[in-house]
Formats: sequence, structure tokens, C-alpha cells
Amino acid sequence: TQLLEQSPQFLSIQEGENLTVYCNSSSVFSSLQWYRQEPGEGPVLLVTVVTGGEVKKLKRLTFQFGDARKDSSLHITAAQPGDTGLYLCAGDRTASKLTFGTGTRLQVTL
Amino acid sequence: EAQVTQNPRYLITVTGKKLTVTCSQNMNHEYMSWYRQDPGLGLRQIYYSMNVEVTDKGDVPEGYKVSRKEKRNFPLILESPSPNQTSLYFCASSFAGISYEQYFGPGTRLTVT
Repeated sequence: TQLLEQSPQFLSIQEGENLTVYCNSSSVFSSLQWYRQEPGEGPVLLVTVVTGGEVKKLKRLTFQFGDARKDSSLHITAAQPGDTGLYLCAGDRTASKLTFGTGTRLQVTL
Repeated sequence: EAQVTQNPRYLITVTGKKLTVTCSQNMNHEYMSWYRQDPGLGLRQIYYSMNVEVTDKGDVPEGYKVSRKEKRNFPLILESPSPNQTSLYFCASSFAGISYEQYFGPGTRLTVT
């Protein structure tokens, strides 16, 4: 059973466009993390959101945690080719077990 | 440099031949974990360890063993590998705390024929 559903699975856009990636669950999470993974490398942490309704910004990336702590979104403004990669959300179910979503593969072209 | 290292990075082996993938971190993290990544299934947790001599099963532990005799090392052992264990494996570590923010190794691509 996949506890975290990400959408869309694939996204191909042109440089300068905006996009939003969603991470949804029927379960409540203590916290939720977003990672980016590039080919041949391990995922790298982008942000952690802990409080329901929390919004965090990382340059052109905006992360939001749902009020009920069941969902999250990642919005990228004016996407650049360097944003290309696999974006993964991960929820902290218990004190030590992370559940990862299946990922959103983003390609940004010139 | 703070990092998680894994060895080997690539491994091709045959069914039934025992193998070990090593993982080491230099950040004094209490928590370490192993994941496998498969197309369409995402990252799934195999085993994790809260500290030395404390390990527990993740979501897909069948066919794997781990040990945590030292804080920095967390090897993954496949006693009798099978083709369905062909996958990309990641080791990760973090401080034990509120969010368990993971630092990942570079991955080990394992093929079992």
C-alpha cells in the first residue's frame, strides 16, 4: 500500500514556466520532507515542514504542509534547467520510519 | 567532508552467492537506514537502526540482514541473493530527533542473475 501519492508522475516544461507538485496521503504525518534526486546520485534534502499550514521558501521553491498534515505541495516559480530531477516527498509516520512517495520526474528544457 | 559512503557502487552477482554492501557515515549520526529504489515503487525502507546494536525491520526486510556493531557502520547483507533483489540500494543516516532528515549515500546498483 502506497501511503504517499505524488502527482504528476512526469512533468516536462520549458524554462520560465511555473509548476506545482503534489504529495497526498490519507495518513497524518509528524513531519514531511522534500528531496531532489539527480541521476546516479542519492536524494538530497530540500526542506522539512513540521507544522500544519506551514509554508517554507527556498529561493524559487515554495513548500506547503497541509493544515491537517496529510498533504504537501511544492511550487517552483520560473523553472530553470537546473531544477531537472526526481522530486520525492517523504512522511515521518512514526518516530523513525519514513515513507517515500513514488516521485515526480521533472524535466525543464531551454 | 560530511558524507555517507557505500561500497561497492556497482555489483553483478549470481543467485545464492552471499554478498555484503558496506555503508559508513562520518557525521556521528545515531540513525541509519537502508532503502531500495525500484521503478514505479519509489524508495522502500529495508531495515533501520536507531543506534548501536538496535535494529528493526522496515517495509521490505525479507531476504536481507543488517548489523550495527559500530555507530558509523551499517552493512547490508544478502545471505542468498535472488533476481528479485536486483535494485538500486541507498544507505542513509540522520540524527535521531523530530524529523529524521536523511543524508543519503551515492547508491549501489545490484544485479542478481
